[in-house]
Formats: sequence, structure tokens, C-alpha cells
Amino acid sequence: DAGVTQSPTHLIKTRGQQVTLRCSPKSGHDTVSWYQQALGQGPQFIFQYYEEEERQRGNFPDRFSGHQFPNYSSELNVNALLLGDSALYLCASTLSHNEQFFGPGTRLTVL
Amino acid sequence: AQTVTQSQPEMSVQEAETVTLSCTYDTSENNYYLFWYKQPPSRQMILVIRQEAYKQQNATENRFSVNFQKAAKSFSLKISDSQLGDTAMYFCAHEGGNEKLTFGTGTRLTIIP
Repeated sequence: DAGVTQSPTHLIKTRGQQVTLRCSPKSGHDTVSWYQQALGQGPQFIFQYYEEEERQRGNFPDRFSGHQFPNYSSELNVNALLLGDSALYLCASTLSHNEQFFGPGTRLTVL
Repeated sequence: AQTVTQSQPEMSVQEAETVTLSCTYDTSENNYYLFWYKQPPSRQMILVIRQEAYKQQNATENRFSVNFQKAAKSFSLKISDSQLGDTAMYFCAHEGGNEKLTFGTGTRLTIIP
């Protein structure tokens, strides 16, 4: 079992660009959540996907959007990048109130 | 809305000693879960220990144990016989019925050889 995987590991973009981050959940997990972790801070909840629908959302602007595919993998898209979007983006998967397993994260740097 | 507070930004302790990390939280829910996660420099968030709020018995996992005081909304982590590999950021987190995790700001723990 490969656990939760994320790609890419690192990414550098410039202001105004768009970015797509990808996550494959742990085998058997159907729920994927995305978190943003700024340097020196705890992770902040962005949104959660279940059955290909956004089930709930944190306090993030509409520039942040996502998608879940039939195989439960997920994408996080960020449009019109700002310097403040620089962070570690974490994906977590779970199966109904069990432990959330985290991926290694994608480090996004916006210049 | 849930909030989680960790009031110790940094702590250090000698190897083999015991250390306690503090966490307080606020929630309006009756059924919830509390967690301690470890994040080493590799960035991988690793679950250390989990507590269900409806269970009065404190959770233990080998050298790790918690002191869960539900009325006081306190959830501290005790690490016994600390090891160099315990050096990491530690995050306290709350999960309610919506499976959304709310994290504290973390405590940087350093184990001194």
C-alpha cells in the first residue's frame, strides 16, 4: 500500500499564474481533504471532497477550487496566484471517521 | 467554530526525560475526536495518538499518553523516555462530526542528546 501520494513535490510559479496539485488517496479511502500550511503555522482546512462533490469548505477564496475523480484521486487548483499562496499544501484521505492519513505535501513557492 | 490553542511555541528536553505538551480547545460539539500529530523536517504529518471525546479513559500509545480533561477542554501529550527521533513539530488537532481537522499553531520539540 503506497499510502497517500502527492505530486509534484515542489513547484515554483509567478504571481498571476495558475497551478494544479494532485493527490492519490490511500487504498480504500473515499474522502480527500486539502490543507494549506504556511511557514511556521498549523495546517488550515481548504476543502473536502466525497463522492466527487465538495462536501465542505474552509475560509478560502474562490480562486481555490478542486475536483475529485471516480477513482477518488483529487486535484487542487489555484488561480491568479498571490505571493501569500506560498505554502505547503497537504492532502489527507480517510474512510468515514477513521484516521486521516496525510501525504508528504507539495511545497508551492510564488515569486 | 472550533479553535485549538498551543501556548508553547518551543520546548526542549534532555534525552530519556519526560516532557508534556499542552493544548486547549473550544468546541460546541459533544462528539468529537482529538489528535496529536508529529511533523518532522521531512514534512510528513504522522498521527501520534487519538482520543475519542466520549471515552473517559486517556489514550496511550507506547511512550505517548494523553491527559484529557473534557470539562476543562484540555488535551496534553506526555512523552516518556524521550528519544532523539522525537524531535519534531507537534500539532494538536480537533475533528468534529464533519471530519474537518482544526489544528493548533504547533510546538517545536527538541530532544537534546
